[in-house]
Amino acid sequence: DVKVTQSSRYLVKRTGEKVFLECVQDMDHENMFWYRQDPGLGLRLIYFSYDVKMKEKGDIPEGYSVSREKKERFSLILESASTNQTSMYLCATSPPISNTEAFFGQGTRLTVV
Amino acid sequence: AQKITQTQPGMFVQEKEAVTLDCTYDTSDQSYGLFWYKQPSSGEMIFLIYQGSYDEQNATEGRYSLNFQKARKSANLVISASQLGDSAMYFCAMRGLNNAGNMLTFGGGTRLMVKP
Repeated sequence: DVKVTQSSRYLVKRTGEKVFLECVQDMDHENMFWYRQDPGLGLRLIYFSYDVKMKEKGDIPEGYSVSREKKERFSLILESASTNQTSMYLCATSPPISNTEAFFGQGTRLTVV
Repeated sequence: AQKITQTQPGMFVQEKEAVTLDCTYDTSDQSYGLFWYKQPSSGEMIFLIYQGSYDEQNATEGRYSLNFQKARKSANLVISASQLGDSAMYFCAMRGLNNAGNMLTFGGGTRLMVKP
């Protein structure tokens, strides 16, 4: 089974802190995604990576950056956390075969106070 | 750019009845895939069903079927014989199959509540 692991289930950070959300997958998938989920807005794509050191902006990249130094790890970085970044963050992974579903981590609920 | 629209924020259905969850999409890709996911209150994302844009038959997986109307750009999920455990958020998603990046775009979701 594909395993996608996010480093924390719950996280509380202060405004202005630098925050790292880590995602690790064990299935050698090329594609990795970071979404945020807010009520009524569904899942919105923040960033996407299709290979090591490669990244593409999604729909809402402002205030975020990402890092993919190794194939299995995709990090989401909030350079200076703000209260409007309080949300559920979901990491997903998929092979490059486009008709295959994406596999999700358990999510990180981030609260910025 | 891809866009997914789910117009039903919430729906009720009586247990054992069928229910249709709407999904419309917009894309400039000629080849694409459509997905449905279920998210129960536990938060996990569960893949339900897939439809390719060139598939001639509607996809089915157990009690789930996809009513795919390409000309109307709709991909509605039909759940037959609803069960209490079907109460959850449901998300429609799409991916362009010719896009090297295979970006996966989601709709806003529909909350389904099954009444006993």
